[in-house]
Amino acid sequence: AQTVTQSQPEMSVQEAETVTLSCTYDTSESDYYLFWYKQPPSRQMILVIRQEAYKQQNATENRFSVNFQKAAKSFSLKISDSQLGDAAMYFCAYRSFYRDDKIIFGKGTRLHILP
Amino acid sequence: GAVVSQHPSRVICKSGTSVKIECRSLDFQATTMFWYRQFPKQSLMLMATSNEGSKATYEQGVEKDKFLINHASLTLSTLTVTSAHPEDSSFYICSATRWDRAVDSPLHFGNGTRLTVT
Repeated sequence: AQTVTQSQPEMSVQEAETVTLSCTYDTSESDYYLFWYKQPPSRQMILVIRQEAYKQQNATENRFSVNFQKAAKSFSLKISDSQLGDAAMYFCAYRSFYRDDKIIFGKGTRLHILP
Repeated sequence: GAVVSQHPSRVICKSGTSVKIECRSLDFQATTMFWYRQFPKQSLMLMATSNEGSKATYEQGVEKDKFLINHASLTLSTLTVTSAHPEDSSFYICSATRWDRAVDSPLHFGNGTRLTVT
């Protein structure tokens, strides 16, 4: 069975600084997707970034980028120029490549932005 | 973008009663819907996977008779919490996906339902 581990329950970063959230996962599959979701106080789940395992290039979305290390099964999220609106719970997630499969979430990292 | 509507957003019910939560995909046909439960300050725990026209697949430890899931159409899935008890109080989130859009739109989430059982 696949597992997703986020070892940092909480993190803080100064506004405008850069922060990296860690995520490791375990799987025996070769094809899969990895995601970072953001959950602000509204509880709405917001997709931040997605990575296909067959792509070697790290995904980027504006201030958000990932460091995907497939061999190490590591998938960290870097947030540059942190903004107050980035404060939220961040969940790393895994999904099998196969049809309609479920997403498995890590336990989450609560990110605080210090003004 | 694709939208998933979940209703109600909040519900309070008395112990022993049943509550139905609806999850609708508004602009796409969802071949699969997922139901998650989230306790305060915790992650999302998958309860069940529901495919249109077939029985839901429940995760280990989830009571099928307590959490009834129906996926009668490609745009609607419902979760009914039967004979609710205070320990069922939680935040329930649905999500939906459509296979042929799985790469571009992996999963869309509803806004969740906060259930309080008194």
